[in-house]
Amino acid sequence: ETGVTQTPRHLVMGMTNKKSLKCEQHLGHNAMYWYKQSAKKPLELMFVYNFKEQTENNSVPSRFSPECPNSSHLFLHLHTLQPEDSALYLCASSQTSGTGGWEQYFGPGTRLTVT
Amino acid sequence: ILNVEQSPQSLHVQEGDSTNFTCSFPSSNFYALHWYRWETAKSPEALFVMTLNGDEKKKGRISATLNTKEGYSYLYIKGSQPEDSATYLCAHYGGATNKLIFGTGTLLAVQP
Repeated sequence: ETGVTQTPRHLVMGMTNKKSLKCEQHLGHNAMYWYKQSAKKPLELMFVYNFKEQTENNSVPSRFSPECPNSSHLFLHLHTLQPEDSALYLCASSQTSGTGGWEQYFGPGTRLTVT
Repeated sequence: ILNVEQSPQSLHVQEGDSTNFTCSFPSSNFYALHWYRWETAKSPEALFVMTLNGDEKKKGRISATLNTKEGYSYLYIKGSQPEDSATYLCAHYGGATNKLIFGTGTLLAVQP
C-alpha cells in the first residue's frame, strides 16, 4: 500500500465524452504529479503541483485539464480525447517538488482507452 | 533533448544469479538520480534517491552506485529471486529541465 489511490482503475470513453480521473494521497505531501505512460515509451511528466500551485505544464494539450483543490487531491479532467491518448495515467506525490531530491510515491494508475 | 538511457532493455536470469543494470544520464547540471521498481499490476516503488557523486546505497540484496561526473548509475541485485522480477526504472533530475526524466526501464525476469 503506497498511500496514493487513484480512481477509476480502468476507463473506456468515447472521443466526445467528458470524464475525470481522481488521485488522493494520504502521506501529508505537498507536491503531486500526473504522468502518462504510452506503450513502449518512458513515463512522461504531464503536470506538477506544489502547495496547490501548478509549477509545470509539460506542453500538454488543453483537452487535459488538471485541478488541485488541496494538497491531498488531484484531478485530471478529460474532454474530446483522441485514440492516441489511450495510455496508463499515473499520479504521484512527494514531500515537495524542488530539486528532485525527494522520492515519489505512485498510485496504481488508471488505464484509459479512448474509442 | 536530454535523454536517460537504460541498458539492457530486458534480462532473463536464473534464481541465485547476481545481475546489474546501467542508467546513463546527462552529467551537466545534475541534481538527483532515482531508481524505482515496478512490478506488473502494481505501483512503481522508490528504491533509491541519490544526489552526491560517489553515492552508494543499499537495501537488502539491492544496491546502487552513482557517478555524476561521467553520467551513469549502476543497480546491482545479489542472488536474484523470482520476486525480484519487475521493471527497474531510473530517472534523472537536472537543472536544465527541472523535472524528473525517466528512462524506458530494464525488464528483469528471474526464473526459479
